[in-house]
Amino acid sequence: AQKVTQAQTEISVVEKEDVTLDCVYETRDTTYYLFWYKQPPSGELVFLIRRNSFDEQNEISGRYSWNFQKSTSSFNFTITASQVVDSAVYFCALSEGDWGPYNQGGKLIFGQGTELSVKP
Amino acid sequence: DSGVTQTPKHLITATGQRVTLRCSPRSGDLSVYWYQQSLDQGLQFLIQYYNGEERAKGNILERFSAQQFPDLHSELNLSSLELGDSALYFCASSQTGQPSYEQYFGPGTRLTVT
Repeated sequence: AQKVTQAQTEISVVEKEDVTLDCVYETRDTTYYLFWYKQPPSGELVFLIRRNSFDEQNEISGRYSWNFQKSTSSFNFTITASQVVDSAVYFCALSEGDWGPYNQGGKLIFGQGTELSVKP
Repeated sequence: DSGVTQTPKHLITATGQRVTLRCSPRSGDLSVYWYQQSLDQGLQFLIQYYNGEERAKGNILERFSAQQFPDLHSELNLSSLELGDSALYFCASSQTGQPSYEQYFGPGTRLTVT
């Protein structure tokens, strides 16, 4: 069965610290896609990154980086030199399969989220 | 701003009532998704439409229904409301309905059932 686990419910750091948010997923499909979304206190969900199952290259975008490891079914997210504006709930999500008549569309399966608090 | 609009932003209603939540996708997006976010269930997929047709269904209650109109906007109808239906309801859209495409979320409608 498909499942996403974010074991860290809450993390609190002081500004400028590095922080890693863990994400472990379960799927039986060989083709799948992983996502990270940010939900700031204002409530909207903001797309951060998408990764597909056949591309294990790590990605860096400014202070954000993502480490995808199929061997451990993990897709971890690191924020370097955290800032107060990074305070939010972060969600990891999974979608599966290829497009086709029997495919269940592009629904996202979300983890429970990790609430990150960055103190000044 | 994701480009996805949702109305109303807040809705307060009583048990047993019926409400309609409205969503307009980003320009050019053909697929619309509805999700429910609650403290106990987290973010749960409800239903997906692609170009006017239902594409996938999650654990959507029978009291809930949705549709996507020819202009691609979507409505989620919730009837016989119960206290447990209080939640934040998100609409999202993507260019196609494929799993590989990222979804862009609207600001959500916060439903409070009293």
